[in-house]
Amino acid sequence: EVQLVESGGGLVQPGGSLRLSCAASGFTFSSYWMTWVRQAPGKGLEWVANIQQDGSEKYFVDSVKGRFTISRDNAKNSLYLQMSRLRAEDTALYFCARGGSGWKFYGTDVWGQGTTVTVSS
Amino acid sequence: SYELTQPPSVSVSPGQTARITCSGDALAKQYTYWYQQKPGQAPVVVIIKDNERPSGIPERFSGSSSGTTVTLTISGVQAEDEADYYCQSADTSGTYVVFGGGTKLTVL
Repeated sequence: EVQLVESGGGLVQPGGSLRLSCAASGFTFSSYWMTWVRQAPGKGLEWVANIQQDGSEKYFVDSVKGRFTISRDNAKNSLYLQMSRLRAEDTALYFCARGGSGWKFYGTDVWGQGTTVTVSS
Repeated sequence: SYELTQPPSVSVSPGQTARITCSGDALAKQYTYWYQQKPGQAPVVVIIKDNERPSGIPERFSGSSSGTTVTLTISGVQAEDEADYYCQSADTSGTYVVFGGGTKLTVL
């Protein structure tokens, strides 16, 4: 069974840092684009970042550029999101999702259940 | 920044056809995906690459594209289809991913 399980969420003060993890299983992780998507309470979905299969290409939404880093460890079947200089507006449920296996990212087909990040003093 | 525009809400009676549109300048050049999200759950993809239905998705879900507007059509709507629906695509460069604002489908 294809599965994605996020972890690492929690309560953090403004300006703080947090590292999210996503453990993948049931598929060849190294063959797929991976992405992070977030959803603020009561709001819609917002794409955060993408990473190519070998980690050579990474893309971010403008609002997190310079603050968030996406990475992956294909040997551990794991995806990460390092978040720093966190702001109240980063408060959201963060989903890990699987992209395609081609050279270009188009969309996702498998999602985790998400991990909650709350930025508050 | 690039945006995709969806109607905030659509209402239909059971058995009728629901159509949810998504508009954006780059949609003629980029694939669109559609996701269904029920309260407290993760999104589920219902249409990939404009008009392909993933395995396990009922045949009543279909997608179409015309220029800068794409449409998710749900034929013979059932009560279980009540959910939020999001379109997702990319900007003209294909680099930056974007979601529509979401459409709440209400089954009357």
